Amino acid sequence: QVQLVQSGSEWEKPGASVKVSCKASGYTFTSYAINWVRQAPGQGLEWMGWINTNTGNPTYAQDFTGRFVFSSDTSVSTAYLQISSLKAEDTAVYYCARDLSLWFGESEATWLDPWGQGTLVTVSS
Amino acid sequence: QSVLTQPPSASGTPGQRVTISCSGSRSNIGSNTVNWYQQLPGTAPKLLIYNNNQRPSGVPDRFSGSKSGTSASLAIGGLQSEDESDYYCAAWDDSLNGRVFGGGTKLTVL
Repeated sequence: QVQLVQSGSEWEKPGASVKVSCKASGYTFTSYAINWVRQAPGQGLEWMGWINTNTGNPTYAQDFTGRFVFSSDTSVSTAYLQISSLKAEDTAVYYCARDLSLWFGESEATWLDPWGQGTLVTVSS
Repeated sequence: QSVLTQPPSASGTPGQRVTISCSGSRSNIGSNTVNWYQQLPGTAPKLLIYNNNQRPSGVPDRFSGSKSGTSASLAIGGLQSEDESDYYCAAWDDSLNGRVFGGGTKLTVL
């Protein structure tokens, strides 16, 4: 079945870097983009951006430029999120999700399915 | 503050029908399709409704979605205790050139 499996929880000190992985299975990895979504403790979902897994080209939401890097490795069907210069406010669960889209008549619908199980990143000294 | 506006909470008794609203603008809901995600406590979000009113395989027909203008709604009929969850609406925003989410609605089954 189609699934995304993420790496385990991370605990880092402020200023350090972290790399979260998202391994895809059950479908052709390069046929669908991967999105990243952040959820701070007790908060809602925040879209971070996406990576074209065919070209490796990333697109970042406005609030996630600079310290956030999306990458992918087609040989292992895995997408990555790297966060550098970690701050306490980066403490959150990070989700990857597959990007699906279809044309219905003259409009294109796009949605995220499935989602990875999430990776908790805790930043604390 | 989220781009899409949802009520922070909703509630109902078993068997009841509840509706959760999602308000946006011309650049998001007004121009693009709406999706709904269910996030059970301690788990990842799961797709509930896509393309305004389509249910993925496995989602009960008690769940339905609708859209009108710049607003959308999720209706849950025959409420069950296992429906107690957070629900998020989402859409593409042409002005921001990205996905936007509602702030989420916590549904309590009394």
